[in-house]
Amino acid sequence: DIQMSQSPSSLSASVGDRVTITCRASQHIATYLNWYQQRSGQAPKLLIYATTILQSGVPSRFSGSGSGTDFALTISSLQPEDFATYYCQESRSASWTFGQGTKVEIK
Amino acid sequence: EVQLVQSGAEVKKPGESLRISCKGSGYTFSRHWITWVRQMPGKGLEWMGRIDPSDSYTVYSPSFQGHVTISADKSISTVYLQWSSLKASDTAMYYCARTIPVAGTTPFDFWGRGTLVTVSS
Repeated sequence: DIQMSQSPSSLSASVGDRVTITCRASQHIATYLNWYQQRSGQAPKLLIYATTILQSGVPSRFSGSGSGTDFALTISSLQPEDFATYYCQESRSASWTFGQGTKVEIK
Repeated sequence: EVQLVQSGAEVKKPGESLRISCKGSGYTFSRHWITWVRQMPGKGLEWMGRIDPSDSYTVYSPSFQGHVTISADKSISTVYLQWSSLKASDTAMYYCARTIPVAGTTPFDFWGRGTLVTVSS
């Protein structure tokens, strides 16, 4: 199975900060990498798919990058509604896997 | 409007059986896979498995293979997640999500609100 590892597990940031979350795959997954946001008490929401493609309706302050085994989600200017937990997910293998999540908290 | 409507919260005892459901609307149900995701209290997301409603072909995570059964009834646009004998460790929120093939990957673009399953004696 492919293992997905996110870092950091949590971070504290202020509104307006630039935030980067990284995701590492245990095997090469090309660009088969998706990102989700989960606000407290809500279902997850798709942000980015195929590493770099923004889902419809997602603000342009979100961006994704990477390929192979190393990926990143960047929020260019953190907004109050962005405080949430973020998960990466690979879809390269037959049995898909999420990262453990990164919680973005208010500093 | 695409919607996935999940069945309501359940409280069960260990050893009991359970089936929860996920009904799709607003799109051609049989065209897209449905994925189930578990979230234990205070924990992260875990991919359980997926089903193709058109032919009920199913793929399970090795972590859940043999512990749950995913099935579909395309005539009523509904997918199910079933346990034959619940354990306390099955206590969790369970989400269904539409799974689409796009740009070479298969993200989960629409999610249900979740079904909370509580297993306690």
